[in-house]
Amino acid sequence: EDQVTQSPEALRLQEGESSSLNCSYTVSGLRGLFWYRQDPGKGPEFLFTLYSAGEEKEKERLKATLTKKESFLHITAPKPEDSATYLCAVPNQAGTALIFGKGTTLSVSS
Amino acid sequence: DTAVSQTPKYLVTQMGNDKSIKCEQNLGHDTMYWYKQDSKKFLKIMFSYNNKELIINETVPNRFSPKSPDKAHLNLHINSLELGDSAVYFCASSHHPGGSTDTQYFGPGTRLTVL
Repeated sequence: EDQVTQSPEALRLQEGESSSLNCSYTVSGLRGLFWYRQDPGKGPEFLFTLYSAGEEKEKERLKATLTKKESFLHITAPKPEDSATYLCAVPNQAGTALIFGKGTTLSVSS
Repeated sequence: DTAVSQTPKYLVTQMGNDKSIKCEQNLGHDTMYWYKQDSKKFLKIMFSYNNKELIINETVPNRFSPKSPDKAHLNLHINSLELGDSAVYFCASSHHPGGSTDTQYFGPGTRLTVL
């Protein structure tokens, strides 16, 4: 069964304390891995798409990387405004829908 | 301009009632989706529509029926509401089905509370 697992479930950081979020997947024939950010009371907001192992993408303090089994979202010197739930998703094997992980809720305190 | 919009933002209703949630996208996308996010924040696909044709339906009770009057709109009608239907419902859209190479863009969500 296609699955996406994110860890940790929750992460608390001090401002400036860098860390990484993990997303592992079991779908075969990966056709893309998506990262979204979701703020409380809002819809998921697209961040990155990664297509092949070794690929990296950056946006401000965020960098996403992809291997054959997992993806990491690295957060460098986070700020309180980076606090949100980060979701990753992959297309199912049939290519008809996205399968989401349960997300990592990040809290950054000043 | 809001790319994907939903109405209403909040919906509180009694068990057994019938209700609808509306979704509109102005991105010119061909495919629209409905997702359900439960109390544990788990986001799960319910339906997708491509050019007015239902292309997936993931073990959703038939009390839920998506209706698409045109490519820019996908409404969700729910009959005989149950307590377990309480959740946040998100509409999304993309150029092509499944989002395999396409980004899906999400609406702001509708929080449904069934009493």
